[in-house]
Amino acid sequence: HVQFVQSGGEMQKPGASVRLSCKASGSTFGDYVVHWVRQAPGQSLEWMGWINADNDDTKYSQNFQDRVSITMDKSATTVYMDLTSLESEDTAVYYCARDRHCYSGWCIGQYFGMDVWGQGTTVTVSS
Amino acid sequence: QSVLTQPPSVSGAPGQSVTISCTGGRSNIGAGYYVNWYQHLPETAPKLIISANNDRPSGVPDRFSGSKSSTSASLVITGLQAEDEADYFCQSYDSSLSAVVFGGGTKLTVL
Repeated sequence: HVQFVQSGGEMQKPGASVRLSCKASGSTFGDYVVHWVRQAPGQSLEWMGWINADNDDTKYSQNFQDRVSITMDKSATTVYMDLTSLESEDTAVYYCARDRHCYSGWCIGQYFGMDVWGQGTTVTVSS
Repeated sequence: QSVLTQPPSVSGAPGQSVTISCTGGRSNIGAGYYVNWYQHLPETAPKLIISANNDRPSGVPDRFSGSKSSTSASLVITGLQAEDEADYFCQSYDSSLSAVVFGGGTKLTVL
């Protein structure tokens, strides 16, 4: 029974960078993609990007314009998300979550839903 | 402004049914991309309750069902219970944005 354990809360100043981690407990990430999704106070969920745990391929939201980078350690048990040039608007709860993304065949391009989530990490950006 | 549009709130009495809509367009739901639904309770991580338009993951009660038609999707919750009170989000993929997209979320109140 895989669980995702995220790193602890962060307080950062505007302009700083933050690295969050997401560790798979009890397994590796396998051939899933691992998304990062955030929720600012009072806002909806916002997708930031994903990494394919099988081949390290990545895909990012254009909303973050090269501020975000998602990587994985070689053991394929921990995924990292780096966010640079932090602004107060980046104050949010950040989640990692796995998903099945279909690359070929009848289901190509489909996402089957984020079925395992980390507990969330609160990032506060304030001067 | 979310690419997928949901009503901000819905409500129903215990035992009743509610429907939450998710309206998209030709580059997401209308293009055939799956719609997934999540239940989000305060201070917890979102939970996948409907996968690939209408599949229920293991452990999700059959009171929850999903459907899709043209450029929209719906989540139906029957036999409302107090513990269903939560925020619900739809999610799909948008080929024009080349991005995973979420709806704005719907707050369900059980009266």
